[in-house]
Amino acid sequence: EVQLVESGGGLVQPGRSLKLSCAASGFTFSDYYMAWVRQAPTKGLEWVASISYDGGSTYYRDSVKGRFTISRDNAKSSLYLQMDSLRSEDTATYYCTTDRWAWTWGQGVMVTVSS
Amino acid sequence: DIVMTQSPSSLAVSAGETVTINCKSSQSLLYSGNQKNYLAWYQQKPGQSPKLLIYWASTRQSGVPDRFIGSGSGTDFTLTISSVQAEDLAIYYCQQYYDTPYTFGAGTKLELK
Repeated sequence: EVQLVESGGGLVQPGRSLKLSCAASGFTFSDYYMAWVRQAPTKGLEWVASISYDGGSTYYRDSVKGRFTISRDNAKSSLYLQMDSLRSEDTATYYCTTDRWAWTWGQGVMVTVSS
Repeated sequence: DIVMTQSPSSLAVSAGETVTINCKSSQSLLYSGNQKNYLAWYQQKPGQSPKLLIYWASTRQSGVPDRFIGSGSGTDFTLTISSVQAEDLAIYYCQQYYDTPYTFGAGTKLELK
């Protein structure tokens, strides 16, 4: 069974850091570009970042560029999102997905940035 | 950035009806190199993660009922749901993956009349 399981969310103060993890199973992780997509409470979907098969190429939306870092460990079939200098507008549920057309999604992990 | 405009924002339907959701992109999603439209449709039910319905504008994801039909090309796309069932009540999003930042439409909420 294909599965993506995110972890690492929580409540964090503005300006602090948080690292999200996503454990993949049921498919050959290294065969896929991967991505993070977020959804603010009661809002729509927003692509955050993507990473190539081997991690050699990364892509970010402008609002997180320089603050967030996407990475992967193919040996562990895991995807990560290091989030630094967090802002209130980063509050959202963060989903781990496959890139381009997201044929599989995790259950999501909530990140709340508040003092 | 490519702007995705969905309409309507909400739709009230009765079971058995056919519904059409529209999605317009601010630039063409048709790549001349492979003649594919880089457009996907997702369904999100309350409290759940989104689910892929359609990719390449008209290719149904495995396991998706054939009452879900994607069509269109270039900048204008449509998701048609024939004979709507109660389980189809959800928010539907279109998404372009032609270029980063990938962008989504604002969503269309399908409700029961």
